Amino acid sequence: EAQVTQNPRYLITVTGKKLTVTCSQNMNHEYMSWYRQDPGLGLRQIYYSMNVEVTDKGDVPEGYKVSRKEKRNFPLILESPSPNQTSLYFCASSSITGGLAGLDEQFFGPGTRLTVL
Amino acid sequence: DQQVKQNSPSLSVQEGRISILNCDYTNSMFDYFLWYKKYPAEGPTFLISISSIKDKNEDGRFTVFLNKSAKHLSLHIVPSQPGDSAVYFCAAKTLASIQGAQKLVFGQGTRLTINP
Repeated sequence: EAQVTQNPRYLITVTGKKLTVTCSQNMNHEYMSWYRQDPGLGLRQIYYSMNVEVTDKGDVPEGYKVSRKEKRNFPLILESPSPNQTSLYFCASSSITGGLAGLDEQFFGPGTRLTVL
Repeated sequence: DQQVKQNSPSLSVQEGRISILNCDYTNSMFDYFLWYKKYPAEGPTFLISISSIKDKNEDGRFTVFLNKSAKHLSLHIVPSQPGDSAVYFCAAKTLASIQGAQKLVFGQGTRLTINP
């Protein structure tokens, strides 16, 4: 089954304790992205990756890091989490080279609800 | 600066009637528009899309209308069913670049409730 998986699904942590949220896709997609969803703001892009070893900032990258060492994985790293990073996080992936560029569906993971105390 | 706006946080509709969800955008570079549906504890799933060269796209009970001059799009659901109760996100992107063609800019979402 084609899917994007995220772990953990729920996480409660304390300020300053480094954490990693994993994201994996099994569709051989080149493009992967992280979004955060906050009330009244919709989903906002944090970081994205066009392919292995190619990453760039989205609209709200402060306080986050990413890496793309393998095509299927795109972990989100919070080196020193703060309460304003309490949010619902989504990983997404899509194909760049398959079909008509930009018209392929973007698939989302189930989300990770993070609370930073 | 919210480039894609959904001004109605919530909408309640009777089962069997029409649901109309609205979305406005400000960036004239956007040329492809999508609607995503989200159930609780799940990620958004693609529902329907429209290119800026069209003004209407239908898929079963779902129709999206695009008014480029007004920078406005709407999603019509007819007839509405209880399973349509979800949060609906409008999203936009530009196909002018490879990166832009992948990046989705989302609205705030509208929570649709279909009452039996």
